[in-house]
Amino acid sequence: SAVISQKPSRDICQRGTSLTIQCQVDSQVTMMFWYRQQPGQSLTLIATANQGSEATYESGFVIDKFPISRPNLTFSTLTVSNMSPEDSSIYLCSVEMTSGGIYNEQFFGPGTRLTVL
Amino acid sequence: QQPVQSPQAVILREGEDAVINCSSSKALYSVHWYRQKHGEAPVFLMILLKGGEQKGHEKISASFNEKKQQSSLYLTASQLSYSGTYFCGTVLLSSGSARQLTFGSGTQLTVLP
Repeated sequence: SAVISQKPSRDICQRGTSLTIQCQVDSQVTMMFWYRQQPGQSLTLIATANQGSEATYESGFVIDKFPISRPNLTFSTLTVSNMSPEDSSIYLCSVEMTSGGIYNEQFFGPGTRLTVL
Repeated sequence: QQPVQSPQAVILREGEDAVINCSSSKALYSVHWYRQKHGEAPVFLMILLKGGEQKGHEKISASFNEKKQQSSLYLTASQLSYSGTYFCGTVLLSSGSARQLTFGSGTQLTVLP
């Protein structure tokens, strides 16, 4: 498994501002993912972040709204830009770990609980 | 395409068994099961690859029926600690190297004493 930390753990922000969420892993991983989980809902993939390449965004998510950086194999950031109350959610990063070269297990960070007023 | 989970919710007494199902309309490469407690991150339980294998961990096991593109999670002799929301996540066979997980809507499991 992997030890994953996220900062901040929670924040309350004003509409129109931006927040950058950090995700740190204790080992080098190729693939990192960013998810959003709205209250009482399932997890929705925002984007896949591979080191050395542009992030790949899922339908409904765009780079201008959710810019992502992946400067090395242990770190990534997600920025939520020009926030509105609809962006209130839990944002989670996850990493893919390969087990024995076969299985691709994904582990989640603790999440960042964002409230936009 | 989001996999379909059933049931949406289940309430058990301690020691009873439960089955949670996850089905996809598309061919799957793998199925991942997670448990999430309120206010916490999802915790990885197990992964199943195509091929119909079954895996287990203590009293929690799962199977993957490749023909039906369906996976089932079995909770045997449930404990209070099993309470939470269970999610299946699927990786499509067509996803290639991308391996993005698409999650079902979740099954809320409550174990009562």
